[in-house]
Amino acid sequence: AQSVSQHNHHVILSEAASLELGCNYSYGGTVNLFWYVQYPGQHLQLLLKYFSGDPLVKGIKGFEAEFIKSKFSFNLRKPSVQWSDTAEYFCAVNSRNDMRFGAGTRLTVKP
Amino acid sequence: DTGVSQDPRHKITKRGQNVTFRCDPISEHNRLYWYRQTLGQGPEFLTYFQNEAQLEKSRLLSDRFSAERPKGSFSTLEIQRTEQGDSAMYLCASSLAGSGANVLTFGAGSRLTVL
Repeated sequence: AQSVSQHNHHVILSEAASLELGCNYSYGGTVNLFWYVQYPGQHLQLLLKYFSGDPLVKGIKGFEAEFIKSKFSFNLRKPSVQWSDTAEYFCAVNSRNDMRFGAGTRLTVKP
Repeated sequence: DTGVSQDPRHKITKRGQNVTFRCDPISEHNRLYWYRQTLGQGPEFLTYFQNEAQLEKSRLLSDRFSAERPKGSFSTLEIQRTEQGDSAMYLCASSLAGSGANVLTFGAGSRLTVL
């Protein structure tokens, strides 16, 4: 079955620590990949996306993600997190018209 | 344009009652999606429209759920004979068709609590 897996349910970091959130998917064929973020009390917002081309994509607020086709992965990274990055992060995959989301990773950044 | 609007933001109802949610997408977006999100889970796809046509519906969607987009603009999601398991956040999103179809803009959601 098609699925999106996020490895970590809750990640707690101190400010300035580096971040990597894992995402794996099990779709065949061409996929479009996304990371969405939901800040406390706010709606889901697009963080970055990958359609084709350079597998390393950059998004807003210093986030980046790398698509590794052989590993079916699309991990999210940030070199130095800030307290304001505290949020829930969702990986999403679109292979047709229905976008599937992972269960999300809650990131807590301690000041 | 103020983005995707959803109404009401929160609905509390008794089991067995019907509820209806409304979504107003971004005006130039011709695709509209409904998702459901429960605590600790990511959004779960329910259905989507392109203009007024409902093109896909999740097999997980109960017959008690129906969605419409009669004029290709706003959409409604109705849940009949609500059950406690229907308690969730109902999210609406919109997008352009074509190359922009994959970039969804979400609304704030409508939270349903079934007592």
